[in-house]
Amino acid sequence: ILNVEQSPQSLHVQEGDSTNFTCSFPSSNFYALHWYRWETAKSPEALFVMTLNGDEKKKGRISATLNTKEGYSYLYIKGSQPEDSATYLCAPVEWTGGFKTIFGAGTRLFVKA
Amino acid sequence: KAGVTQTPRYLIKTRGQQVTLSCSPISGHRSVSWYQQTPGQGLQFLFEYFSETQRNKGNFPGRFSGRQFSNSRSEMNVSTLELGDSALYLCASSATSGGEYNEQFFGPGTRLTVL
Repeated sequence: ILNVEQSPQSLHVQEGDSTNFTCSFPSSNFYALHWYRWETAKSPEALFVMTLNGDEKKKGRISATLNTKEGYSYLYIKGSQPEDSATYLCAPVEWTGGFKTIFGAGTRLFVKA
Repeated sequence: KAGVTQTPRYLIKTRGQQVTLSCSPISGHRSVSWYQQTPGQGLQFLFEYFSETQRNKGNFPGRFSGRQFSNSRSEMNVSTLELGDSALYLCASSATSGGEYNEQFFGPGTRLTVL
């Protein structure tokens, strides 16, 4: 997995808006995919890990889907709140005798009250 | 359960010196990975260790090395420090072994400044 692309780079929304982010990755050697939430001065917080094509995960207002055949994952936030403001990182994992996690540059979300 | 711990949290070194960073994974986790984050760059994969073996390595020069002990604690060493090594170094542990793939949990990081 050489190139992980996340879009948009940043997003400004109003409280209550629903948002979605895209992560695209080459599908060769794919093993799993993480989504993380990263706030300044804190450690990345694990949101989801998905392994199977078609996986869908949900945690509260946040959900994610995975398409390994075409190499993309979506993260959705329903009814954004100011506390959702953070950088959302996508990180596919490849297996080449050991695990290698490649992080995208992230989507920076700003939610205005 | 205690989380992933990293020591020290902050470190200032000068060019040419070497540094050792430590990571204690969550109890029972045998997989430890290290990452570097520099200003303007995303998280870059350094190494992955499992049961005292380095199983994978990122695109970093040989000055970056590491090891894992029998209690799964891991250390990372950078020799002949350069200014560009100034970064946040994060480690993450996972319960993944031979079966189901599990989440990685991150430590608070070590902020290294090279002067």
